[in-house]
Amino acid sequence: EVQLVESGGGLAQPGRSLRLSCEASGFKFDDYAMHWVRQGPGKGLEWVSGISWNSDRKGYGDSVRGRFTISRDNAKNSLLLQMNSLRGEDTALYFCARSSASTIRGFQSFEYWGQGALVTVSS
Amino acid sequence: SYVLTQPPSVSVAPGKTARITCGGNNIGSISVHWYQQKPGQAPVLVIYHDSDRPSGIPERFSGSNSGDTATLTISRVEAGDAADYYCQVWDSTSDHYVFGTGTEVTVL
Repeated sequence: EVQLVESGGGLAQPGRSLRLSCEASGFKFDDYAMHWVRQGPGKGLEWVSGISWNSDRKGYGDSVRGRFTISRDNAKNSLLLQMNSLRGEDTALYFCARSSASTIRGFQSFEYWGQGALVTVSS
Repeated sequence: SYVLTQPPSVSVAPGKTARITCGGNNIGSISVHWYQQKPGQAPVLVIYHDSDRPSGIPERFSGSNSGDTATLTISRVEAGDAADYYCQVWDSTSDHYVFGTGTEVTVL
């Protein structure tokens, strides 16, 4: 059974940093690209970032580029999101999602999702 | 960037058919995926590549895609189908993944 478990969420002040983790199990982690998708309170889904199976390609949404960094550790079956210079509009539930493919470019879907980690940015 | 437009809400009686549209410029030329999200839960993939169903998704869920509109159809609607539904594509121009605005399906 595929499982994705996010951790590291919490409350942060504007301008500060947080790091999210996603522990994966139930599949061969290094066969798949991975993504972060977020959902603000009462809002829709927004793609945040994605990383290819071997980390050679990374992509970011316009609202987080330059502030967030995605990475992965295939030996530990984990996906990370380093979030710097946080803003109020970054307040959201952050989902870890497994791609249907190994790369981040192409018409792939998000096949499996974690339950999300809540990030609140407020002073 | 590429914009996907969905109706905010769709209401349907049990046993009837719900159709949820997703509008985008020439969307028929790219693959569309659909997700179901119930309150307090993570999204679930219900249709991929326009019309394919993942294992475990009922045959009542189907999809089509042509021209400027993709459509998710739910036949013989049940109370448990009440949820938010999102379409999603990959925009090759921006290299971004794009979600639709979301549609809340209410079962009367």
